[in-house]
Amino acid sequence: DTAVSQTPKYLVTQMGNDKSIKCEQNLGHDTMYWYKQDSKKFLKIMFSYNNKELIINETVPNRFSPKSPDKAHLNLHINSLELGDSAVYFCASSQGLGMSYEQYFGPGTRLTVT
Amino acid sequence: EDQVTQSPEALRLQEGESSSLNCSYTVSGLRGLFWYRQDPGKGPEFLFTLYSAGEEKEKERLKATLTKKESFLHITAPKPEDSATYLCAVQAGGYGQNFVFGPGTRLSVLP
Repeated sequence: DTAVSQTPKYLVTQMGNDKSIKCEQNLGHDTMYWYKQDSKKFLKIMFSYNNKELIINETVPNRFSPKSPDKAHLNLHINSLELGDSAVYFCASSQGLGMSYEQYFGPGTRLTVT
Repeated sequence: EDQVTQSPEALRLQEGESSSLNCSYTVSGLRGLFWYRQDPGKGPEFLFTLYSAGEEKEKERLKATLTKKESFLHITAPKPEDSATYLCAVQAGGYGQNFVFGPGTRLSVLP
């Protein structure tokens, strides 16, 4: 069984469109995250949610909005897409807060904005 | 500002040729240092967590060590299936879950 899943795996869209990426984890974890991996392969944390509450927002444009309907899901909505939003987006989860908890990553969603 | 650098950027080894990857960090209060492996087209896969200087952890051919300024990932007698990008990440102190990833080392092990 897949631990952290994301849909879609690939997403091609035009500038100005609004899109969503879905993430689900079946590990029973309390904390979920969204990361962006750019063309230089740097992974940068965008958001984390713990028990449906936002923990971090790392200077991400407000065009990006995470939405968590329940503890197992953390979706990413992106409004007015820009060329610079093209990247691979990873969802991850961990058992909880604290330094002892490793993160489990999904397979990634490659977003291409044309 | 919290920073993580990794060296070398890329490394090619012959099968059985041991080597080490370096992760240097500057953070305001280290809470944990993580090593991940990432295969092409996939998400990072957790390998190790280290918390304090002097700590070591091993898993098969991999051994991770930690000092106050850097961490090493030692690969002993690597095999072609060890080829991947190895990422180092730190969790800094303060409120929340402040994770910072390094750029990774791309390892190729030739048969």
